[in-house]
Amino acid sequence: DTAVSQTPKYLVTQMGNDKSIKCEQNLGHDTMYWYKQDSKKFLKIMFSYNNKELIINETVPNRFSPKSPDKAHLNLHINSLELGDSAVYFCASSSLGARYGYTFGSGTRLTVV
Amino acid sequence: DAKTTQPTSMDCAEGRAANLPCNHSTISGNEYVYWYRQIHSQGPQYIIHGLKNNETNEMASLIITEDRKSSTLILPHATLRDTAVYYCIVRAEVLTGTASKLTFGTGTRLQVTL
Repeated sequence: DTAVSQTPKYLVTQMGNDKSIKCEQNLGHDTMYWYKQDSKKFLKIMFSYNNKELIINETVPNRFSPKSPDKAHLNLHINSLELGDSAVYFCASSSLGARYGYTFGSGTRLTVV
Repeated sequence: DAKTTQPTSMDCAEGRAANLPCNHSTISGNEYVYWYRQIHSQGPQYIIHGLKNNETNEMASLIITEDRKSSTLILPHATLRDTAVYYCIVRAEVLTGTASKLTFGTGTRLQVTL
């Protein structure tokens, strides 16, 4: 069974559209994250939720809105997509605390045309 | 979180040990040293982490100097499948806020060759 699963794996859409990426983890972790990896391969954290509560909110346009219906799910909704949003988005989960490692999903490659 | 310095790239012959260095001279007492890797187009993969003591698991060994200002990740018998970007990260034992996040740098691109 996949520990952290993201859907869809690939997403091609036009500028101005609204899209969502879903993430689910079956590891029993209480914390989930969204990372963005741009074309230069730099991985940057966007959001983190712990038990459905937002604990990290980096400088991200408010077109990006995460939602965590329960601690096993963290979805990312993006409004009014722009060309610069093209990237690979990774979901991850962990138990809270630095002594625990993250488990990452396999990524969602978003292409805005 | 303390910053880390890693070589941009390294080569290693298949079957030999790959030793990846990392400097973290400003590390604080409550900061862990983590190693992750990212194989092309895949999500980052956790390898190992430690606080003070050397650690070993089925993937690798982590050697942390006594002053904790540097560490080395050792892949004992590198294979072609170990070709990846390896990230050394230090992260504080803080439960919430930006200090608790895992921050990736540029890493070391390890190329394992025949």
